[in-house]
Amino acid sequence: NAGVTQTPKFQVLKTGQSMTLQCAQDMNHEYMSWYRQDPGMGLRLIHYSVGAGITDQGEVPNGYNVSRSTTEDFPLRLLSAAPSQTSVYFCASRFTRGHHNEQFFGPGTRLTVL
Amino acid sequence: AQTVTQSQPEMSVQEAETVTLSCTYDTSESDYYLFWYKQPPSRQMILVIRQEAYKQQNATENRFSVNFQKAAKSFSLKISDSQLGDAAMYFCAYRSAESSASKIIFGSGTRLSIRP
Repeated sequence: NAGVTQTPKFQVLKTGQSMTLQCAQDMNHEYMSWYRQDPGMGLRLIHYSVGAGITDQGEVPNGYNVSRSTTEDFPLRLLSAAPSQTSVYFCASRFTRGHHNEQFFGPGTRLTVL
Repeated sequence: AQTVTQSQPEMSVQEAETVTLSCTYDTSESDYYLFWYKQPPSRQMILVIRQEAYKQQNATENRFSVNFQKAAKSFSLKISDSQLGDAAMYFCAYRSAESSASKIIFGSGTRLSIRP
C-alpha cells in the first residue's frame, strides 16, 4: 500500500493564480480531509468528506474548494491564491466504521503564495 | 465546541531522562478519543498513542505513556528514557466518538528538544 499520497511536495504561486493539490489513498477509506498547518496554530480542518459525492466544510474553508468523485481521490482547489494561504497542507484519511480507525496523513505540501 | 490546549510551546530534556508534555481539553461529551501525534522535521504526522475515554487504564506504547484524568480533562504524555530521535513537535488531539464523521481537533503543539 502507498498509503496517503500528496502532490506536489512544494509549490510557489503568485497572488491570483489557481492550482489543485492532489491527494489519493489506496486503503479504501471513506473519510478524507484536508488540513492546513501554520506556525503556533496546530492543524486546522479545511474540508472533509465521508464518502464519494459527499463533502462538507471544516474550520477554515474560505478560499478552498473540494470534490470527491471517487473513494480514492480528494483534490483541494485554490481558485485565486492569496498570501494568507501560504501554509503546509496535509491530506488525511481513515475508516469511519469501528473504534480502531486511525487517521493516516500524507507527507504534506508546502505552498508559498507571493 | 471542543477545544484542545497545549500550554507548553517548547520543552527540553536531557537524553535518557523523562519528560512530560501537558494537554488539557474541553468537551461536554462522554465518549471520545484522545491522541498524541509526533511530527519530526520530515513533517510526517505519526500517531504515538491513543486513549479511549471509556477506558480507565492509561495507554502505553513502549517508552510512551499517558496520564488520562477524565474528570480534570487532562491528557499528558510521558516519554521515558528520552532519545535523540524523540525530538519533534508533539500534538495533542481530540475526536468525538459520537459520530463516524467527527473531526479531529488539534492543539497548537509542543516542540520537544533533546539535549545530548
